[in-house]
Amino acid sequence: QKEVEQDPGPLSVPEGAIVSLNCTYSNSAFQYFMWYRQYSRKGPELLMYTYSSGNKEDGRFTAQVDKSSKYISLFIRDSQPSDSATYLCAISPYDKVIFGPGTSLSVIP
Amino acid sequence: EAGVAQSPRYKIIEKRQSVAFWCNPISGHATLYWYQQILGQGPKLLIQFQNNGVVDDSQLPKDRFSAERLKGVDSTLKIQPAKLEDSAVYLCASSLVGAPYEQYFGPGTRLTVT
Repeated sequence: QKEVEQDPGPLSVPEGAIVSLNCTYSNSAFQYFMWYRQYSRKGPELLMYTYSSGNKEDGRFTAQVDKSSKYISLFIRDSQPSDSATYLCAISPYDKVIFGPGTSLSVIP
Repeated sequence: EAGVAQSPRYKIIEKRQSVAFWCNPISGHATLYWYQQILGQGPKLLIQFQNNGVVDDSQLPKDRFSAERLKGVDSTLKIQPAKLEDSAVYLCASSLVGAPYEQYFGPGTRLTVT
């Protein structure tokens, strides 16, 4: 079983839609959970990180962690064409980071 | 504040040749990471430095890959000799000590081995 799993997509939504991106992980010891956005031919960009369970909101983005289910989500409200990118979830057992394979998102105008 | 700098941005070499990548982290970030990202996959950690010491190089193919961070700032990653399967994007990232959850990435070097 891989440590972090994501549906690779591609996911295509109309502009203005609510997007839900999800990851599952295998090790309950992980403490930090991150979401990165990666545009084509660019390095990953940190969107937000959360510690332990709960929600965290930043503008149109909300990260949600459910440690009991080992499930993390990123919600994007009012999606824009500029949100078209690959979204990487990542988890950290403190001293390093393990990335998922990423989900490709296209927001259609 | 300047971000993580990497060079070159693109490199094409033939198999069995050697290549080197350079990274300059964000000022004050003592921890530096090199990742390999193959198309369609997430970044895979190759090596992690704290200052000029190696913290984790368990996934570095040491028979062909080497990395150094001599003065605790800039770092170089070398491949010698290159194989076709080394074609990937090599990403450098940096963070404060104890904060791997807040890494900042450079633009990457896209390597093509023919």
